[in-house]
Amino acid sequence: KQEVTQIPAALSVPEGENLVLNCSFTDSAIYNLQWFRQDPGKGLTSLLLIQSSQREQTSGRLNASLDKSSGRSTLYIAASQPGDSATYLCAVNNAGNMLTFGGGTRLMVKP
Amino acid sequence: DADVTQTPRNRITKTGKRIMLECSQTKGHDRMYWYRQDPGLGLQLIYYSFDVKDINKGEISDGYSVSRQAQAKFSLSLESAIPNQTALYFCATSDVLGYEQFFGPGTRLTVL
Repeated sequence: KQEVTQIPAALSVPEGENLVLNCSFTDSAIYNLQWFRQDPGKGLTSLLLIQSSQREQTSGRLNASLDKSSGRSTLYIAASQPGDSATYLCAVNNAGNMLTFGGGTRLMVKP
Repeated sequence: DADVTQTPRNRITKTGKRIMLECSQTKGHDRMYWYRQDPGLGLQLIYYSFDVKDINKGEISDGYSVSRQAQAKFSLSLESAIPNQTALYFCATSDVLGYEQFFGPGTRLTVL
């Protein structure tokens, strides 16, 4: 059974810092991996999708990498802003389109 | 307008009541999913449907049932709600390739 772990569970940084969120998974036979953002009381917004054949994806200040063989993905946020404060979820898509989610990293960016 | 909508957005009910949560989508996707999120945790899959005639149980289907009324509509029912079903419920859709899932805004359900 696929298990997804995210560390740290919570992170507080001053505005402007670059930061890295980590995601690890136990079964490397994945279809793709998705990073989501969740704001309090709101749904999930898809940030980046990395196919199993890809090494990284970039969108603006966000960069996600995937190392399938070691079962790891990282989300890099450059020049963090208070508006980046949210919970970030990593989800692994195994064959059959089942998403297995990590517990999330709760990020607070202080002005 | 949102591509994936859920109703109601918030619901408070009592133990033993029957509750239905509804999901509609305008993305034209065949695949729909119901997830549950408990505080501080990730999402767990309850049920999923790959087309109107296809319904499958997820990780935590006990105590829940679903109905796929049309390609665009997928409902989740709690036949007899209990307090540990208090959670945030999300509906999601994906196309047949399943490359990416798109989520609704969620329904916050409280069972007293």
